[in-house]
Amino acid sequence: DAGVIQSPRHEVTEMGQEVTLRCKPISGHNSLFWYRQTMMRGLELLIYFNNNVPIDDSGMPEDRFSAKMPNASFSTLKIQPSEPRDSAVYFCASSLLGGISYEQYFGPGTRLTVT
Amino acid sequence: DAKTTQPNSMESNEEEPVHLPCNHSTISGTDYIHWYRQLPSQGPEYVIHGLTSNVNNRMASLAIAEDRKSSTLILHRATLRDAAVYYCILSAGNNRKLIWGLGTSLAVNP
Repeated sequence: DAGVIQSPRHEVTEMGQEVTLRCKPISGHNSLFWYRQTMMRGLELLIYFNNNVPIDDSGMPEDRFSAKMPNASFSTLKIQPSEPRDSAVYFCASSLLGGISYEQYFGPGTRLTVT
Repeated sequence: DAKTTQPNSMESNEEEPVHLPCNHSTISGTDYIHWYRQLPSQGPEYVIHGLTSNVNNRMASLAIAEDRKSSTLILHRATLRDAAVYYCILSAGNNRKLIWGLGTSLAVNP
């Protein structure tokens, strides 16, 4: 398996522009997580889905952030409008729902820079 | 959410064992203890997890105190590739949400 795939790997955009980050989870996994990582705040969970349904979005910073999972093999995280404070590395992770092991498999991340 | 406390940084020599401590004094009976690590410029990767008993896998061992208020991740022979940030995380039994701290940055000297 190719693992969790994220695109783009790097994104540079200007303040006010819309940004869309994409994630393809590992085939067969039915839980998907979006995280944001900064030096100051570390790794923060933004939202997670089980079977394509959002379960907990309490980590989404504000209404400018939205996430969708239209099917089991694709998810997007959208920021509109983007601001410089959104600059961070965004990770997507997937895992297999059920059982006790919560092993999450992370993608390589998208480094977002908003100028 | 239960919190964990880890040293900011540790140092080890190559081929020596490393003991990474984690305190979680507010752990509840249903909380699992997870360890992940993050190599430079990569996403985190799972290392090991446990509930009450000590656990071993190909990567590491997890020693859990009898009162479960602390745990130790043991790397039996550190290699240069083990230089990473190590995160100790708790999660409730049915809750898939992992609350991440800032972890321990491990440096391995050749």
